[in-house]
Amino acid sequence: AQTVTQSQPEMSVQEAETVTLSCTYDTSENNYYLFWYKQPPSRQMILVIRQEAYKQQNATENRFSVNFQKAAKSFSLKISDSQLGDTAMYFCAFTGLSGNTGKLIFGQGTTLQVKP
Amino acid sequence: SAVISQKPSRDICQRGTSLTIQCQVDSQVTMMFWYRQQPGQSLTLIATANQGSEATYESGFVIDKFPISRPNLTFSTLTVSNMSPEDSSIYLCSVGGGSGANVLTFGAGSRLTVL
Repeated sequence: AQTVTQSQPEMSVQEAETVTLSCTYDTSENNYYLFWYKQPPSRQMILVIRQEAYKQQNATENRFSVNFQKAAKSFSLKISDSQLGDTAMYFCAFTGLSGNTGKLIFGQGTTLQVKP
Repeated sequence: SAVISQKPSRDICQRGTSLTIQCQVDSQVTMMFWYRQQPGQSLTLIATANQGSEATYESGFVIDKFPISRPNLTFSTLTVSNMSPEDSSIYLCSVGGGSGANVLTFGAGSRLTVL
């Protein structure tokens, strides 16, 4: 079975500093996608970044970047220059390319608090 | 990416009653997905709704408890039947075709509290 694990229930960071959120996953598939979603208090799930497993290059989106280690099945999210608006719950998620591609397996989430 | 509207945004329900959640998308989509997020928990897929066929349910979810309709390519409903306090959750509708392959776009969710 595929699983996603986020071992940090809560984290905090000072505004303008850098923070890294951890995620590990388990799968027997070779081709898959990994995601980081953000859920602010408004509840709206927002895609932060996406990584295709067959791409060795780590994905980046402005202040957000990932460290994808396929062999270690690790997918961490780095947020640079943290802003107050980054305060949210962050979910790591996995989907395989076989079967139902609308089925995301989510981790337990990490609540990030950005402090002024 | 698609814009998803869900109704109701939140509701407080009595034990034993049923509530129907509506999901409207601003574009035609083949598949729509219903997720549940229990308090303080992660998201779990309930079922996949295909237009013109019965919904496909994930392990642990059954049609009698969570009947789903999909009358056209832009609309779906999820009913939570015979509710108990354990059904208190956020229910989210989602569709594919976001900013890239396999990206899901989510609605804002419907927060149900069962007393």
